Amino acid sequence: QKEVEQDPGPLSVPEGAIVSLNCTYSNSAFQYFMWYRQYSRKGPELLMYTYSSGNKEDGRFTAQVDKSSKYISLFIRDSQPSDSATYLCAMSGGGADGLTFGKGTHLIIQP
Amino acid sequence: DTAVSQTPKYLVTQMGNDKSIKCEQNLGHDTMYWYKQDSKKFLKIMFSYNNKELIINETVPNRFSPKSPDKAHLNLHINSLELGDSAVYFCASSQAGTGVGETQYFGPGTRLLVL
Repeated sequence: QKEVEQDPGPLSVPEGAIVSLNCTYSNSAFQYFMWYRQYSRKGPELLMYTYSSGNKEDGRFTAQVDKSSKYISLFIRDSQPSDSATYLCAMSGGGADGLTFGKGTHLIIQP
Repeated sequence: DTAVSQTPKYLVTQMGNDKSIKCEQNLGHDTMYWYKQDSKKFLKIMFSYNNKELIINETVPNRFSPKSPDKAHLNLHINSLELGDSAVYFCASSQAGTGVGETQYFGPGTRLLVL
């Protein structure tokens, strides 16, 4: 069983739709949860960061963490064509641990 | 200002050669990392360095050696390159161990192609 599972997609939705992206994980030691966006041929760009369980909102983006279910989500409201990218969930146990990434979901927002 | 920078951006070389990739961060972070992204876009940690000390060395061949001349730089040296080393290598940095600062910031990547 992989440590972090993420549906690779592609996920195609019309402009303006609400997008839901999800990851599940197996390692109970993970405490820090992040979402990165990666455009083609670019480095991952940090979108959202959450510590432990709960919700966090930043503009059109909402991140949710449910540690009891080992499940994290990213919601994008009013999706735009510029949101088309690969979205990577990442998590760590803290300290100088490297991040454990999901395989990324390729999102396409159709104009 | 570029927070995390890498050179070169592209690297094409022959099998068996030795090459280095350089990374610099101007964020004042104390921990730096190297990740490898394979052809299926899967990102995997290779190394992390904290205050010039190797913290993690995932199951990476010893042909790969990270070298940190100072807190702002972490270079990756690769000996005897193999075809399977072809990938995109990302450098990242963070202010680890402070709770809020666990997030990592990534460089633009170095695309390595071994022929």
